[in-house]
Amino acid sequence: KNQVEQSPQSLIILEGKNCTLQCNYTVSPFSNLRWYKQDTGRGPVSLTIMTFSENTKSNGRYTATLDADTKQSSLHITASQLSDSASYICVVSANSNYQLIWGAGTKLIIKP
Amino acid sequence: SQTIHQWPATLVQPVGSPLSLECTVEGTSNPNLYWYRQAAGRGLQLLFYSVGIGQISSEVPQNLSASRPQDRQFILSSKKLLLSDSGFYLCAWTGLAGAVSYEQYFGPGTRLTVT
Repeated sequence: KNQVEQSPQSLIILEGKNCTLQCNYTVSPFSNLRWYKQDTGRGPVSLTIMTFSENTKSNGRYTATLDADTKQSSLHITASQLSDSASYICVVSANSNYQLIWGAGTKLIIKP
Repeated sequence: SQTIHQWPATLVQPVGSPLSLECTVEGTSNPNLYWYRQAAGRGLQLLFYSVGIGQISSEVPQNLSASRPQDRQFILSSKKLLLSDSGFYLCAWTGLAGAVSYEQYFGPGTRLTVT
C-alpha cells in the first residue's frame, strides 16, 4: 500500500534554531517527492520538488534531502523565523501527476 | 501570471442541504484541475481531477460530484450533504495537461461545516 509517514507529528522550537523534519514513504513506482508548506487555513505552497536522481535541493533557508534507496526524505530549516510556523507536508508522486500520496504533515511552531 | 480563486471562503450548511463550491483559474489555458478535501489533522485526499472540459475522474466514491463546464472552471457539488462532508476543500491546478512532475498550485480553500 502506498503510504507517506511523517515525523514528528508536531514540533516546537525557539526562533533562530534549526530543525529537521522526516518523511518515510512506501510508494512505487516513484516519480518525485515534494515538500509543501501550509499555513493555517490556507492552501499548501510548494517548497521543493525532487526526482529520483536528486539528493538535495534548497529553497532559501529550506533544504530537502532524498535517499531513494531507503525511501526517506528530510526537510531542514535553518535559522527559523516566526513565519515558519506552519504545517509541512511531504508528498510523493507515484509516476503520475494525478497519483499524489500526501503525508499528514508536521505541525511546526516557532516561539520567540 | 496565473491565479486561482475559490469561493466561498467559509460555509456552514445543514445536513441534507445541497452544495456548490466554485474554482476558477486565470492566466493559463487547458490546466489540469483538482479537488481535494482535508480533514482536521489529516493529509489531503484527492476527490476529483479533470484534464479537460467535461472530463472528470473520481478518486473516492462518495456523495460528491464535480463538473468542468468551462476550461478554467471547476465545480464541486452535492445534492445532500452529510456530517462527514465537513472539511477544508482545496482546488488546485497544474499546467501542461498530462505532464509528470509539474507543480500543483492551490487556491485559498473553502472551510465547510455541516451541522
